[in-house]
Amino acid sequence: AQKVTQAQTEISVVEKEDVTLDCVYETRDTTYYLFWYKQPPSGELVFLIRRNSFDEQNEISGRYSWNFQKSTSSFNFTITASQVVDSAVYFCALSETGGGNKLTFGTGTQLKVEL
Amino acid sequence: DSGVTQTPKHLITATGQRVTLRCSPRSGDLSVYWYQQSLDQGLQFLIQYYNGEERAKGNILERFSAQQFPDLHSELNLSSLELGDSALYFCASSSGQGAFGYTFGSGTRLTVV
Repeated sequence: AQKVTQAQTEISVVEKEDVTLDCVYETRDTTYYLFWYKQPPSGELVFLIRRNSFDEQNEISGRYSWNFQKSTSSFNFTITASQVVDSAVYFCALSETGGGNKLTFGTGTQLKVEL
Repeated sequence: DSGVTQTPKHLITATGQRVTLRCSPRSGDLSVYWYQQSLDQGLQFLIQYYNGEERAKGNILERFSAQQFPDLHSELNLSSLELGDSALYFCASSSGQGAFGYTFGSGTRLTVV
């Protein structure tokens, strides 16, 4: 069965600090997708990134970067120079191609960025 | 605007009642997924439809049912509502059966009183 663990329930940082959100996953499939979503206080789910299991290249998008390591089953997300607008709940999710393509979400990490 | 439309945005109803949540997928998308986000269960998958047919089922209660119509919109019916059914219900759509191009709607917040 697939499982996603986000051990950090809540993180508080001061603006301009770098912060890393951890995500560890479990799956028996060799082909799968990993996702990160942002849920701001308004409640919608905002897609950030999708990575397939065959692509271990790290990705950078502006202040966001992702580190995918199959050896440790981790897909961590780093925000560089955090801003108050980054305050939100961040979810990591897993989709197995053999699992009907549903998303299995972690419990989320609440990020609070303060001035 | 994600292109996935959910109505209503907010719903307040009493225990024991029945409600219907509606989802219009992004244009061209054949798959519709329903998710529930509650305080105690987190975000969990309920059910998937592809081109009118049920394709996958998650932790969906027997009191809940869904369908996808020929025009591809979907409805999630919740009956005999309990306080614990209060949650944010999301619909998502994708072009195929896969998670590629998954897009979420803004959700329907259901409050059962």
